[in-house]
Amino acid sequence: GEDVEQSLFLSVREGDSSVINCTYTDSSSTYLYWYKQEPGAGLQLLTYIFSNMDMKQDQRLTVLLNKKDKHLSLRIADTQTGDSAIYFCAESPPTGGFKTIFGAGTRLFVKA
Amino acid sequence: DAGITQSPRHKVTETGTPVTLRCHQTENHRYMYWYRQDPGHGLRLIHYSYGVKDTDKGEVSDGYSVSRSKTEDFLLTLESATSSQTSVYFCAISESRASGDNNEQFFGPGTRLTVL
Repeated sequence: GEDVEQSLFLSVREGDSSVINCTYTDSSSTYLYWYKQEPGAGLQLLTYIFSNMDMKQDQRLTVLLNKKDKHLSLRIADTQTGDSAIYFCAESPPTGGFKTIFGAGTRLFVKA
Repeated sequence: DAGITQSPRHKVTETGTPVTLRCHQTENHRYMYWYRQDPGHGLRLIHYSYGVKDTDKGEVSDGYSVSRSKTEDFLLTLESATSSQTSVYFCAISESRASGDNNEQFFGPGTRLTVL
């Protein structure tokens, strides 16, 4: 079945770049997403990429998609303490109705 | 922020009691979802709805039921709560027009449920 995997923790220093990685199983997924969850809150969509794209950039965020390896990454440039949160990778398989499959989330710690 | 509220925000209950969580939206979105979030598991889909009175099971539906009598409300019921249902529950909404469309979901603030 569909599965999305990501490492659970990442620690970086303020000002460095963060790279959060994700692998997914459904190569026919049309959209892949990155959501951010701050403490005590629900998830918010950060960015998404359509499956026919290799890269998408949005200010400090860069998403890279390697369809051959089914690998998705999120790079946060100049990481700030306000970026400390849990980041979820997710995919929407086209055969899954309108369901979205979420990874377990990567907790990003930013050290001042 | 999308207009999604959840009630209650926190609840402590005892094993064997029924519990109903409410999700209310003001966005008139067609699709509504209930997830539970547990450490190491991320978000797991419990049930979802694709219209009034139209619901379907997710991957962890055992022990849960849902109802949607109005577009704006989606209720999640634990008929007889168990300690394994202690979790944080999130409601989400989306407005996809066709399978294969961007299914961006908007999340409520969550309900923390503790079953003793």
